[in-house]
Amino acid sequence: EDQVTQSPEALRLQEGESSSLNCSYTVSGLRGLFWYRQDPGKGPEFLFTLYSAGEEKEKERLKATLTKKESFLHITAPKPEDSATYLCAVQAKAQGAQKLVFGQGTRLTINP
Amino acid sequence: DVKVTQSSRYLVKRTGEKVFLECVQDMDHENMFWYRQDPGLGLRLIYFSYDVKMKEKGDIPEGYSVSREKKERFSLILESASTNQTSMYLCASSLGFQPLYEQYFGPGTRLTVT
Repeated sequence: EDQVTQSPEALRLQEGESSSLNCSYTVSGLRGLFWYRQDPGKGPEFLFTLYSAGEEKEKERLKATLTKKESFLHITAPKPEDSATYLCAVQAKAQGAQKLVFGQGTRLTINP
Repeated sequence: DVKVTQSSRYLVKRTGEKVFLECVQDMDHENMFWYRQDPGLGLRLIYFSYDVKMKEKGDIPEGYSVSREKKERFSLILESASTNQTSMYLCASSLGFQPLYEQYFGPGTRLTVT
């Protein structure tokens, strides 16, 4: 069974304190891995898609990386507005029609 | 920008009522999805549609049905609402299947069934 596990569940950082969020996955052949940001009471907002091990993508203070077993979302010098829940999702090659398997998310809080 | 809109942000219904949740996307996307999101359970796929009048069951279709009469509109129907269907409902759309396209989400509808 395809599974996605995110850690930690929650993370508190001071403004400017860099850190990383982890997304571990077990799938029967990875087709793609997605990162989303979700603010309270809102729908997830797309951040990145990663397709193969070794791939990296960046957007402002965020950088996503991918290995054969996990993905990291690195946050450099975060600001309070980066506070949100970050979701990871994978699509396996065996799954039809873009069925995504989501992790539980990491709730990130950046204190000023 | 892709825009996915949902008919209501908050909805309160009584047990046994028939409930309609509407979703509209404005980017001519082929695929549309309905999820529910619950604390500790994450996002779970209820139904999806890859073409007009086409639908497929997701992981938790029991108690729900869907309708897609037009490409831009995807409706979720709770035939007889129950308290265990209290949840955040999220609609999403994506351009197609090949290549792999990301899904874009609407703002969500928080449904409470009393």
